[in-house]
Amino acid sequence: DAGVTQSPTHLIKTRGQQVTLRCSPKSGHDTVSWYQQALGQGPQFIFQYYEEEERQRGNFPDRFSGHQFPNYSSELNVNALLLGDSALYLCASSLFRLDRRMNTEAFFGQGTRLTVV
Amino acid sequence: LAKTTQPISMDSYEGQEVNITCSHNNIATNDYITWYQQFPSQGPRFIIQGYKTKVTNEVASLFIPADRKSSTLSLPRVSLSDTAVYYCLVERRGSGGGADGLTFGKGTHLIIQP
Repeated sequence: DAGVTQSPTHLIKTRGQQVTLRCSPKSGHDTVSWYQQALGQGPQFIFQYYEEEERQRGNFPDRFSGHQFPNYSSELNVNALLLGDSALYLCASSLFRLDRRMNTEAFFGQGTRLTVV
Repeated sequence: LAKTTQPISMDSYEGQEVNITCSHNNIATNDYITWYQQFPSQGPRFIIQGYKTKVTNEVASLFIPADRKSSTLSLPRVSLSDTAVYYCLVERRGSGGGADGLTFGKGTHLIIQP
């Protein structure tokens, strides 16, 4: 089991550019969440996708958008990059248990280190 | 969700038992307590989760008193490789719409010395 895989591992972009980050969930998982982690801080929740729809969103501007594909993989898009968007972007996957109306524990990927210059 | 408070940092030595306490005074009935571990430049890793009393797995134990306003993560016989950041989280479960996005604080930086 490959676990949660993210690509690329590192990325350097220029202010104002757009970026797309990718995530493949752990086998058997159907829910993907994205987090932003600035240096020295805990991860901050961006949004969560389930059944190809955004189910919940944290306190992030519309410049941050996402998508989930039929195979449960996901993309995070950030437009008009700012210097402050430099961070480690983490993807986490889980399984939504319909019988219990709750998600199983979250498994995180290694993250994508985004640097905006 | 209930806000969590935990020490910013802790030091200990190899072979010792380490206890990290977290307070969550406003915890609700549907809330569970979850602990994650994170090494530098890696994603957090689930350690343990509990609702009340004591939970033990191969990695750690979690003690939750009856009022559930605090919890203690216990790491037995730590080694240098246990040096990491440990996050205490409150997760709302069974609300019907799946788990809420996880809310992380700054965590506890645990440093294990030889």
